[in-house]
Amino acid sequence: QVQLVQSGAEVKKPGSSVKVSCKASGGTFGNYSVSWVRQAPGQGLEWMGGLIPLFHIDTYAQKFEGRVTFTADESTSTGYMEIIGLTSDDTAVYFCMRERGGLPDSWGQGTLVTVSS
Amino acid sequence: IVMTQTPLSLPVTPGEPASISCRSSESLFDSDDGISYLDWYLQKPGQSPQLLIYTASYRASGVPERFSGSGSGTDFTLKISRVEAEDVGVYYCVQRIDFPPTFGQGTKLEIK
Repeated sequence: QVQLVQSGAEVKKPGSSVKVSCKASGGTFGNYSVSWVRQAPGQGLEWMGGLIPLFHIDTYAQKFEGRVTFTADESTSTGYMEIIGLTSDDTAVYFCMRERGGLPDSWGQGTLVTVSS
Repeated sequence: IVMTQTPLSLPVTPGEPASISCRSSESLFDSDDGISYLDWYLQKPGQSPQLLIYTASYRASGVPERFSGSGSGTDFTLKISRVEAEDVGVYYCVQRIDFPPTFGQGTKLEIK
């Protein structure tokens, strides 16, 4: 069973950027996608998009296009999600998952990103 | 696709049944493969979501038999035959027939 371990909590200033990592242990991403979902405080879940590292294919929810970038380092089985131009609306817990066809088989523990001046 | 769950809050006595409804703004049924692309998740406090039901009615690995899913097209239901204390949390339905997958608002189940 692949386990996903995410990087630690971040506090960022408005207008800055953040890069969150998601490392697979006990396996690789294979031909799965590394996808990301976020959850604002006390709110529901929002799918952001993802990347299939093996095929270098990325997909973005329209809301995040141009401001979010998904990358991966296959040599370390690590996926990354970077957001630029942070605002307070980006304060959320960011979850990564390994999924295929929108069906995850493992989730990261979540990374809290707080945007505050 | 907009997903609407009811109720948003569900207080339940242990041992009693519970039911959550999920309605989609468009059909989630794919006539090519005969599958409705609707899944159910439970997010326990402080945890990542965990898959309960996929493609409307199939229990994920390790999910107790008291959980069941039904429905097709635009109307779906998650049922818990006898609620246990460990079932507390927020339940989400999610469609994945269209990109990006979209979630319902969540239904918070609490124990009376």
